[in-house]
This record gives sequence, structure tokens and C-alpha cells, in this order.
Amino acid sequence: ELKVEQNPLFLSMQEGKNYTIYCNYSTTSDRLYWYRQDPGKSLESLFVLLSNGAVKQEGRLMASLDTKARLSTLHITAAVHDLSATYFCAVPYYNNNDMRFGAGTRLTVKP
Amino acid sequence: ETGVTQTPRHLVMGMTNKKSLKCEQHLGHNAMYWYKQSAKKPLELMFVYSLEERVENNSVPSRFSPECPNSSHLFLHLHTLQPEDSALYLCASSQVHGGAAGEQFFGPGTRLTVL
Repeated sequence: ELKVEQNPLFLSMQEGKNYTIYCNYSTTSDRLYWYRQDPGKSLESLFVLLSNGAVKQEGRLMASLDTKARLSTLHITAAVHDLSATYFCAVPYYNNNDMRFGAGTRLTVKP
Repeated sequence: ETGVTQTPRHLVMGMTNKKSLKCEQHLGHNAMYWYKQSAKKPLELMFVYSLEERVENNSVPSRFSPECPNSSHLFLHLHTLQPEDSALYLCASSQVHGGAAGEQFFGPGTRLTVL
């Protein structure tokens, strides 16, 4: 069965600092998705990574995918308060028509 | 309407009530999903419908009953719920190719409180 693990689960960081969130998965997949969820809200798509070595950047966030290592990273550069949210990675569960989500990383950026 | 819509957005019900949650997707996708999100718990997949057929139900209690009349609409019928069923219920849709789900698009969710 496909397992998706994120770490850390909780991250408190100061504004201006850099940090990386990690997402490991247990079976072969050539794609991975990152989502953001604000408190009390739904999930919104952040990045779609469709191949080994894929890198996507938007603002202070950059996501990458290494399918051989079964690892994706979400790097935060010079964090700002607006980035405070929960971030989920998700991997397609082949032949099951669905997606498996990590437990989420709750990020809090403090002034 | 665009994307994925859900109604109602908030629902309070007693344990003996019967209610239904509705989801509609305007993206032309062929798969729809129900998720449950409880406080401090991971996202739980409840049901998957692909091409209007239920593919997976993840051992969800029978007090939750899904219905997918067509590829654009998904319902979750609720009856005799328990207080621990209080949660945010999220609907999502995606395009499935060869058994693999593409990017999922989520609705705004229904916040359910069971008294």
C-alpha cells in the first residue's frame, strides 16, 4: 500500500528564515502534488510536479521532485507571515483512481 | 459556477436527523471523491467514484451513504450520525487516466456539527 510521509508535521519559523519540508512516498510514482490549506478553508493546489527532476517556483516557495529517491521537497525562502498554513503533499495511488495525502505540515511564521 | 461547489457550507444536525451533502463539479472530470477532515487528524478518503461507479469506500460506516447520479454530481447521505462524525467534509474531482488520478480540485467543504 502507498504511504506518504511528511516531515516535519509542525514548523514554527521566524520571518526572513529559510526552511524545507520533506515528502517521502513508498511506491513508484512519476508525479506529485502540493496543496495549501488555510485554517477553516479547503485545499488549494500549489504545485504539480509531473516528472523526475521537476522544479516549480512561485514566489517564496519552490517545489522539486526526485522520483528515484521517492522524495519531494518544498523549500521556503525568506518566510513571511502570509505563508502560515498547512501544506500537504499528495501522490497518485495507481490502479486505485485516487490520491494519497501526507499528514500535512502546519507552518507558522512569526514576526 | 466554476470549479467544485458544495452545499451546504455549514450543517448542524441531531443524531436522529437525516441530511444530505451535495457536491457539483464544473470541470468535466470523470472522478469524484469524498474526504473527511477532523481536527488534528490526517485527511481521510471516504469514497471514490470513477466514471460514476464506486471504486473504493475505505470501510466507512454505513451511516454514510454516497450517491453519484452522473459525472458532475456527488451526494453524501447522512443518517443517525454520532458526535465524532463532526468534521469538515471535502469533495474533490479529478481526471483519471489508466487508473491514476490527476490533480484533484477541492470544493470549499461542508462544516458538519453533530449534536
